[in-house]
Amino acid sequence: GAGVSQSPSNKVTEKGKDVELRCDPISGHTALYWYRQSLGQGLEFLIYFQGNSAPDKSGLPSDRFSAERTGGSVSTLTIQRTQQEDSAVYLCASSLIGNSDNEQFFGPGTRLTVL
Amino acid sequence: KNQVEQSPQSLIILEGKNCTLQCNYTVSPFSNLRWYKQDTGRGPVSLTIMTFSENTKSNGRYTATLDADTKQSSLHITASQLSDSASYICVVSEKGWGYDYKLSFGAGTTVTVRA
Repeated sequence: GAGVSQSPSNKVTEKGKDVELRCDPISGHTALYWYRQSLGQGLEFLIYFQGNSAPDKSGLPSDRFSAERTGGSVSTLTIQRTQQEDSAVYLCASSLIGNSDNEQFFGPGTRLTVL
Repeated sequence: KNQVEQSPQSLIILEGKNCTLQCNYTVSPFSNLRWYKQDTGRGPVSLTIMTFSENTKSNGRYTATLDADTKQSSLHITASQLSDSASYICVVSEKGWGYDYKLSFGAGTTVTVRA
């Protein structure tokens, strides 16, 4: 596609429910990133994929968070047993390859609200 | 810990006026610094990128400066337009080998341009 797309754009869920967020990166981009953006805060790194493997999962805040990537393309971020503090905008980005010289292109984000 | 501090947190300017946003960082080793523009409800979009040896970079009415010695950067917006209303995020990349690098994000400066 022309850019990074994410779905859904908005998700409202009840505390304790599981949610899945989807990211479609730019075609041909091998690196994919998930970030979380809370109100008034900078972006918080969650996880990085190179191809289908995740060499860096250091940003996942708890074992309730997991992510996978299949076919070197689509990625899903899963949050189990959601808590109110999980409410945030979840941004996905992709880059041609994963090094510091390559620009990351961001999707529009998924706004998650946990009631 | 690598940090990126931005100021001011927010500002309001009249259409046609200029403004300057500041970014101070402690990221080391330094690779590059990007300024991103994030419109409400959208993902961040890169405006400029500067490496260690670059002092200034322009993109239309946006001009970024970098002083790698003092670890400071600024983004100057000239002749502001209503469409400049957005959050501006300073992102500093730690120099990484291969795929191993991290981005540090500032919390952003929210700019509101009024007619």
